[in-house]
Amino acid sequence: TQLLEQSPQFLSIQEGENLTVYCNSSSVFSSLQWYRQEPGEGPVLLVTVVTGGEVKKLKRLTFQFGDARKDSSLHITAAQPGDTGLYLCAGFSSGSARQLTFGSGTQLTVLP
Amino acid sequence: EAGVAQSPRYKIIEKRQSVAFWCNPISGHATLYWYQQILGQGPKLLIQFQNNGVVDDSQLPKDRFSAERLKGVDSTLKIQPAKLEDSAVYLCASSPSFPVGNTIYFGEGSWLTVV
Repeated sequence: TQLLEQSPQFLSIQEGENLTVYCNSSSVFSSLQWYRQEPGEGPVLLVTVVTGGEVKKLKRLTFQFGDARKDSSLHITAAQPGDTGLYLCAGFSSGSARQLTFGSGTQLTVLP
Repeated sequence: EAGVAQSPRYKIIEKRQSVAFWCNPISGHATLYWYQQILGQGPKLLIQFQNNGVVDDSQLPKDRFSAERLKGVDSTLKIQPAKLEDSAVYLCASSPSFPVGNTIYFGEGSWLTVV
């Protein structure tokens, strides 16, 4: 089983601050995804990164896939209370099975 | 396009009782997943179906959990007998055989509390 470790597990910051969440593994993934989950709902896909070194931006969110495709980071600029939620990274295994393994999650709270 | 449908949304049972959750994936999606998510943690894959065949059930506690997808469409996950540690959200998800853009679509989940 491929494992993904996220850090930090909990993060509480003030509105307007910047933050970075890390997702690390000893395994290589064919692609990696970031999800955001709000209470009472299923995870919602934010982005998929496929190529080693790839950087994608989604408004104030910047996602990076490590060169070796084993790790990823999510950076949020000028966080807002609406960014509060559980952020999950998830990696797709290679091959046709398309197994998606989730990290342990980072619970972000942005205080007004 | 209708999303992944799950029912019931909430269930409270006593330990040693049984419970069943139902999932209807997005129409045409060949792959169906059941995940278990304990509060504050990331989802853990329990079982993955490709049509009506099992691709991966290595983390399914087979002494008490079972799942089926008889006609390759909807699926049922059963727990019997339930334990306190089974309290979690059970998420169903689906994707095309080779997901376009690697997209997996999740339902809202079925919340289980075992008392």
